[in-house]
Amino acid sequence: GNSVTQMEGPVTLSEEAFLTINCTYTATGYPSLFWYVQYPGEGLQLLLKATKADDKGSNKGFEATYRKETTSFHLEKGSVQVSDSAVYFCALISFLQGGSEKLVFGKGTKLTVNP
Amino acid sequence: EAQVTQNPRYLITVTGKKLTVTCSQNMNHEYMSWYRQDPGLGLRQIYYSMNVEVTDKGDVPEGYKVSRKEKRNFPLILESPSPNQTSLYFCASTHPDRVNSPLHFGNGTRLTVT
Repeated sequence: GNSVTQMEGPVTLSEEAFLTINCTYTATGYPSLFWYVQYPGEGLQLLLKATKADDKGSNKGFEATYRKETTSFHLEKGSVQVSDSAVYFCALISFLQGGSEKLVFGKGTKLTVNP
Repeated sequence: EAQVTQNPRYLITVTGKKLTVTCSQNMNHEYMSWYRQDPGLGLRQIYYSMNVEVTDKGDVPEGYKVSRKEKRNFPLILESPSPNQTSLYFCASTHPDRVNSPLHFGNGTRLTVT
């Protein structure tokens, strides 16, 4: 079935450090890929997305590239800030037979950035 | 302001006492969904609705009911709550094209069943 696997957290970094959160997926067909972010006490919100192979999604200094050959969509940021502390979810939408869609989330990776 | 509003934010109840968590969105979204978030398990979909009077089971529907009588509202009903339904619940909405229209989430309802 369709699934998303994220690196387990928690991840703790110092301010201005480089961030990578790994995400790999299993899906039939050609899924669209997303990163959602959940700040403390809030619901999830879309951070970035990519809808086809080799697309790069970017937002707020975060980037992720849709790599079909490695079935990956790793999240990166060159210099994290304390305000980036949150839980990050990788997700995919796969398109099933019959025209329906299935949205699948990874388990989330908690990031803490210390000053 | 475009938003998804859930109530209550916190709820403590006892086993077997029926409860309803309300969800309302003001974006005229056709699609609405309920998720529960548990440590180590991430987000799991409970029920979803593609439009008014159209609802369907997600991955973990047991012990829950929903209704969609109006486009803006999608309440989650626990007829007889049990301790294993202690969790953080999120309502979300979007347009049917979920690739190009992101999910908008409420701020969550933390439910404790004793």
